[in-house]
Amino acid sequence: DTGVSQDPRHKITKRGQNVTFRCDPISEHNRLYWYRQTLGQGPEFLTYFQNEAQLEKSRLLSDRFSAERPKGSFSTLEIQRTEQGDSAMYLCASSLARENEKLFFGSGTQLSVL
Amino acid sequence: QKEVEQNSGPLSVPEGAIASLNCTYSDRGSQSFFWYRQYSGKSPELIMFIYSNGDKEDGRFTAQLNKASQYVSLLIRDSQPSDSATYLCAVITTVRGGADGLTFGKGTHLIIQP
Repeated sequence: DTGVSQDPRHKITKRGQNVTFRCDPISEHNRLYWYRQTLGQGPEFLTYFQNEAQLEKSRLLSDRFSAERPKGSFSTLEIQRTEQGDSAMYLCASSLARENEKLFFGSGTQLSVL
Repeated sequence: QKEVEQNSGPLSVPEGAIASLNCTYSDRGSQSFFWYRQYSGKSPELIMFIYSNGDKEDGRFTAQLNKASQYVSLLIRDSQPSDSATYLCAVITTVRGGADGLTFGKGTHLIIQP
């Protein structure tokens, strides 16, 4: 394992459907972050975990979004009742807690809501 | 008030010249500053970080920090076409009540002309 892995790479869905994304962090990293990025913008923080505990969620995060990291390894991000405004690149990143600002990003999941 | 500001560009620089990328931030309590490079369709990659006032050099890259002016910059010497990318400035801010997570600027699109 040489990096952060995300699945799927692309997801096309219809408005109102639920979608789930998966992230596998670098194995020794205990912190895992979710970011969202739209065209022409920088990544926007959504939430992060230290081990299995979700320590922070963005105030901008709708209650349609939920994230889990049940065993402190991989994480899932679910979006319920998707809206066209949810279309974006969803980026996962991981880090060591002692170097929490040095994030390593995955390739992202590009979501298109039709 | 935007927390991290960058000129979106594009910034066009001839090959072999010095590319200068600038970033300002609003939170005077910010302590850690980062530059990420993002190629089109790819995820951000950490290239430089700086914590103290002054210059920090790494190969062809130099990061400069001036906390009094709330200004951080990235210089790329002997710029190459492969340096063409979007450069994201990121800052750990204290506005969320902690030092966890990064706030990104929108990025500057750099084009190195052969």
